[in-house]
Amino acid sequence: QKEVEQNSGPLSVPEGAIASLNCTYSDRGSQSFFWYRQYSGKSPELIMFIYSNGDKEDGRFTAQLNKASQYVSLLIRDSQPSDSATYLCAVKRSGGSYIPTFGRGTSLIVHP
Amino acid sequence: EAGVAQSPRYKIIEKRQSVAFWCNPISGHATLYWYQQILGQGPKLLIQFQNNGVVDDSQLPKDRFSAERLKGVDSTLKIQPAKLEDSAVYLCASSLVGGLNTGELFFGEGSRLTVL
Repeated sequence: QKEVEQNSGPLSVPEGAIASLNCTYSDRGSQSFFWYRQYSGKSPELIMFIYSNGDKEDGRFTAQLNKASQYVSLLIRDSQPSDSATYLCAVKRSGGSYIPTFGRGTSLIVHP
Repeated sequence: EAGVAQSPRYKIIEKRQSVAFWCNPISGHATLYWYQQILGQGPKLLIQFQNNGVVDDSQLPKDRFSAERLKGVDSTLKIQPAKLEDSAVYLCASSLVGGLNTGELFFGEGSRLTVL
């Protein structure tokens, strides 16, 4: 069983729509959850992190965490073509020695 | 603030040859990671250093891969001999350690390896 599961997609949404990206994880000891964006041919960059159950909003992005169900999601409102990228979910246990484990990523395509 | 520096950006070698990648993390970042990202997959950790000590190298194929961070700053990842399945992007990342550590990793641009 993979530790972090993501649908590889592609997820295709029209410009202006809400894109919903989902991630499930197997380690119940996971405490920190991250969403990275990776443009084609580029390296990942952090866009959101969340520690507590519930929602966390940052501009057009909302991260949602449900530890009981072991899933974390990312909503992108008013999707733009520039949001087209692969979105990587990463989880880690608390403590500096623990290493973030990445999912395979979901490819998002926002078409005009 | 300068980001994570990696070189070379691209490397093409034949199988059984050797290759080395270099990484210089963000100044002040004690933790350094090497990840392997095969096309269509997420990054897979190869090795984590904290200062010049190894924290985790459980997924490093030690028969062919080696890595060092002698002075606790820059790091080198070596593959010898290379196999076809080593074709991937090798990502170096760094992060802060301590109470302010959100777990955010700062990645370099990566080194793309093609093994023929």
